Amino acid sequence: EVQLVESGGGLVQPGGSLRLSCAASGFNFRNFAMTWVRQAPGKGLEWVSSISGSDYTTYYADSVKGRFTISRDNSKNTLNLFISSLRVDDTAIYHCAKGGGIAAPGYMDVWGQGTTVSVSS
Amino acid sequence: SYELTQAPSVSVSPGQTARITCSGDALPKKFAYWYQQKSGQAPVLVIYEDIKRPSGIPERFSGSSSGTMATLTISGAQVEDEADYYCYSAVIASSGNYQGVFGGGTKLTVL
Repeated sequence: EVQLVESGGGLVQPGGSLRLSCAASGFNFRNFAMTWVRQAPGKGLEWVSSISGSDYTTYYADSVKGRFTISRDNSKNTLNLFISSLRVDDTAIYHCAKGGGIAAPGYMDVWGQGTTVSVSS
Repeated sequence: SYELTQAPSVSVSPGQTARITCSGDALPKKFAYWYQQKSGQAPVLVIYEDIKRPSGIPERFSGSSSGTMATLTISGAQVEDEADYYCYSAVIASSGNYQGVFGGGTKLTVL
């Protein structure tokens, strides 16, 4: 069974930073792209960033480019998202999602429950 | 930036057919994907590559695509199908890089 468990969320002040992680199990991690998707309170889904499975090619939404960095450790089956220069509108649940194939951004076929990031002074 | 457009809400009675549409200029060349999100839960993939249904998804869920519009059809909608539905595609943005894009979501009410 595919499992994705996010961690690292919390309350942070504007301008601060956080490192989100996603522990993956139940599939051959290195063979699949991975993606972060966020959902602000009461709002829709927003694609944030994706990374391919093998050559680590990365893709970012315009709203986070230059502030967020996605990475993966295929030896530890872990996906990471370093988020910096946080703004109030970055407040959201951040979901980790497994890609349907090795290429990014592609699509997502299994999602984690998410970790909550709150940005407030 | 690229957009996928969905109607905010659709309402049907149990047993009726619900149709949820998604429009976007890239859809003639790019696949559409559909996600169901029930209140307080993570999204679930219900249709991929326009028309394919993942294992475990009921047969009443089907997808189609024609021109700039993709459609999710729920034949004989049930109360448990009440949820938000999002379309998604991966497109080349104006910057020249691939990006993922979600539609704004459609709230399906079955009552």
